[in-house]
Parts: sequence; structure tokens; C-alpha cells
Amino acid sequence: GAVVSQHPSWVICKSGTSVKIECRSLDFQATTMFWYRQFPKQSLMLMATSNEGSKATYEQGVEKDKFLINHASLTLSTLTVTSAHPEDSSFYICSARDPQGEGGNTIYFGEGSWLTVV
Amino acid sequence: AQSVTQPDIHITVSEGASLELRCNYSYGATPYLFWYVQSPGQGLQLLLKYFSGDTLVQGIKGFEAEFKRSQSSFNLRKPSVHWSDAAEYFCAVCSSNTGKLIFGQGTTLQVKP
Repeated sequence: GAVVSQHPSWVICKSGTSVKIECRSLDFQATTMFWYRQFPKQSLMLMATSNEGSKATYEQGVEKDKFLINHASLTLSTLTVTSAHPEDSSFYICSARDPQGEGGNTIYFGEGSWLTVV
Repeated sequence: AQSVTQPDIHITVSEGASLELRCNYSYGATPYLFWYVQSPGQGLQLLLKYFSGDTLVQGIKGFEAEFKRSQSSFNLRKPSVHWSDAAEYFCAVCSSNTGKLIFGQGTTLQVKP
């Protein structure tokens, strides 16, 4: 079964509103989670690294005020797309790092969340 | 800087034929390497990974990959492809310090009956 759960799987929101996506590690404590974005027929691009109890680290070109990331517990990270616009429509995927896994780098992916902004 | 290149954007093979998907990486240290598969509209499923040890790695669904340091490659292979293998395949390298995955551009596999 899934060890990383993402919710919601699908969300449609109106332009200008905010939407929150949750990423939960189910069987382990994830001190580090990652958020990726994938446009249709393209690869995954890392948006930010979410560290439990501290501020997220954003990749170059990603607006931190636009994509708010909170990692309030060892099993939950949230991505909030603020003031969403149609160009934010995309597939968002999270991953979680299991520090007890092989090499300290066993990484599990969530099922992804489709965001459509209308 | 780390990077991953998948030279083939699209590959078509006949069902039952062998398959090899290429992956080349650029990384300063010993890389952690992964292959993922993604079906349309779905998340990512890990096929296999290489951290250390035996350079020939066995994965799920009959896939294997070989790490060749001299060629900076980690090609994915399968001896006999099934129609259900049609999907998008991503090679990725991981920074051992951060756990961040850098993905290749992906290869779309189409399987002919």
C-alpha cells in the first residue's frame, strides 16, 4: 500500500483563490519532504524542499510567496498555491525521505495532485 | 551541477521484444540512481534503485539496470516487453546530502501489438 498519501488527487479552483495540497507519510517520520511540479508531457521539476520545523528551501525561480510550504509535523507537509491563476494548473507531486531507509535515501512519492485553475 | 539526460524522448518496441532505455548522469560523487515509471495521470512508481554494491540491479516487473561508472550511465533493460509496460519512464539522480531528486526528461515507451 501507499506509504505517502497526497490529498486531494484532483482539485478545481477559481482564479484568485488559494488551494492547499497535503502530503502525509503514513509509515515513517519524514524530516524532509519535497514538492515537484510536472507540466503535461514534461519531466518533474523540484519546487522546494520542506524541512520539518523550519522554513522550506525553494529552488531558483519558484516564488515562495506564491507557493507556501509548511512542514508542521514529521508526517505532514502542505503546499498552498495562493491567488491561483490558470498558469498554475499542473500536476503537483510530493515525495518524502525515509531516513531509516536504505542509504538514508529511500524516497517515496505521493500519488500526485491535479490542480486546474479556471 | 548534477544533471540527468535521457537521450530518447520516444521509443516504440514490439510486444515481446527487448527494451533498453538510456540514461546518462553528471554527478561529482558516487550517485544514487533511480528509475521510475509513470502511467498517464498517475504518480510515480519506483522500478529500481542503485546505491552501491553490485552494479547490476534487479527491479520490479522484470526490469533491470546496470550502473557503469566509466560511461556515467544507468540504462534500464527488460528482455521481453509487455503491452502494459507502455508508460513514461524517468531516470533520476539523488544528492546523497540532500535527498533531492534530479529527473531526466523522460522517455515515452510505446508498445506495438
